[in-house]
Amino acid sequence: DAGITQSPRHKVTETGTPVTLRCHQTENHRYMYWYRQDPGHGLRLIHYSYGVKDTDKGEVSDGYSVSRSKTEDFLLTLESATSSQTSVYFCAISEGEGRTGELFFGEGSRLTVL
Amino acid sequence: SQQGEEDPQALSIQEGENATMNCSYKTSINNLQWYRQNSGRGLVHLILIRSNEREKHSGRLRVTLDTSKKSSSLLITASRAADTASYFCATGLAGTYKYIFGTGTRLKVLA
Repeated sequence: DAGITQSPRHKVTETGTPVTLRCHQTENHRYMYWYRQDPGHGLRLIHYSYGVKDTDKGEVSDGYSVSRSKTEDFLLTLESATSSQTSVYFCAISEGEGRTGELFFGEGSRLTVL
Repeated sequence: SQQGEEDPQALSIQEGENATMNCSYKTSINNLQWYRQNSGRGLVHLILIRSNEREKHSGRLRVTLDTSKKSSSLLITASRAADTASYFCATGLAGTYKYIFGTGTRLKVLA
């Protein structure tokens, strides 16, 4: 199994504060993804990365930014958190070729914005 | 709106019966994958079918893909109580590295 660690696993914060979620992988995979999961919406793609410093937007990127300065870490930042960003956030990595590979998921980070 | 829509949204069956869930999508794809999620956990990959394939099997799982109808189905045969979970389809969008998920089917298998 691909080693994926998300941190923090749980966070409660207040509206307007910045929040950074970290995804760390030990497998040296090229492709990394951030999704959010909300009831009734399934998983929605926020941003993804296809290499160091190479990122692109997903379906719901407004209010989020990402950075990938090294292969193993993909950071998701909420510059000014809002209550609508309360969600469970999942990181995923793709083993092998990104267009044909399976996704492997972390255990999720539960964020509550009060 | 999301790329993938699954139906039914929820399905309840008896142990030993077969479970079928469907996924429809909107744009061209490289592949389609099915995932399982137990409550509160991350998603686990089940099976991948490429756009040039029509059917694939893995154990008790059978996946079909009809690119002309932009739809896929997942069949779980001889279901078990342990199959109780949510199931999601994910489409790998053609020409991109994006994977877009459907809204999921909640399966409950009664012992």
